[in-house]
Amino acid sequence: AAGVIQSPRHLIKEKRETATLKCYPIPRHDTVYWYQQGPGQDPQFLISFYEKMQSDKGSIPDRFSAQQFSDYHSELNMSSLELGDSALYFCASSPTLNTGELFFGEGSRLTVL
Amino acid sequence: GDSVTQMEGPVTLSEEAFLTINCTYTATGYPSLFWYVQYPGEGLQLLLKATKADDKGSNKGFEATYRKETTSFHLEKGSVQVSDSAVYFCALLGNAGGTSYGKLTFGQGTILTVHP
Repeated sequence: AAGVIQSPRHLIKEKRETATLKCYPIPRHDTVYWYQQGPGQDPQFLISFYEKMQSDKGSIPDRFSAQQFSDYHSELNMSSLELGDSALYFCASSPTLNTGELFFGEGSRLTVL
Repeated sequence: GDSVTQMEGPVTLSEEAFLTINCTYTATGYPSLFWYVQYPGEGLQLLLKATKADDKGSNKGFEATYRKETTSFHLEKGSVQVSDSAVYFCALLGNAGGTSYGKLTFGQGTILTVHP
């Protein structure tokens, strides 16, 4: 069965650089979520989209932005990267809104040097 | 705000031992509760869920009962296997008078290691 696809799987950037992460949800899933997981930490909610519109926003820095495109894939853009942005970034999708049943991708590991 | 507290780990067990991972929550309204599992190098996977008080979620030999009176959702398994070694996250979906858009609040995770 198709799963959530994230790219790139690994990314190394310097401080103050920009990074873009991509997420391709499971087909016919209309909701996408982005989570950030620091080393040994629980996932922290960043932002979500429902039917290509932002549906909720969590602890996402102003340096970050995200959008969902017409084909339902989503991109997380991170600018002015800081060392503290080093983390695993998970994308998850859900077939319906507000069920809590999320299907997670394998994550994109960002390392900021 | 909503919060989830899990027992501190790591938890190390021998194969076929009994497992309990404690989870308590704080939330307004009537949240739904979940356990997610994260195997090494992978994303989180839904293990089980319960949507109302006294519901029992179960999957792959794991069980958890939604206890509103103690605000708990402890995960149990009668006989663990080496393949159960993973990080286990308790999570809640709030429902305080409106939609929460599926945003989950996670506990800090509990590392489980099972030895042969």
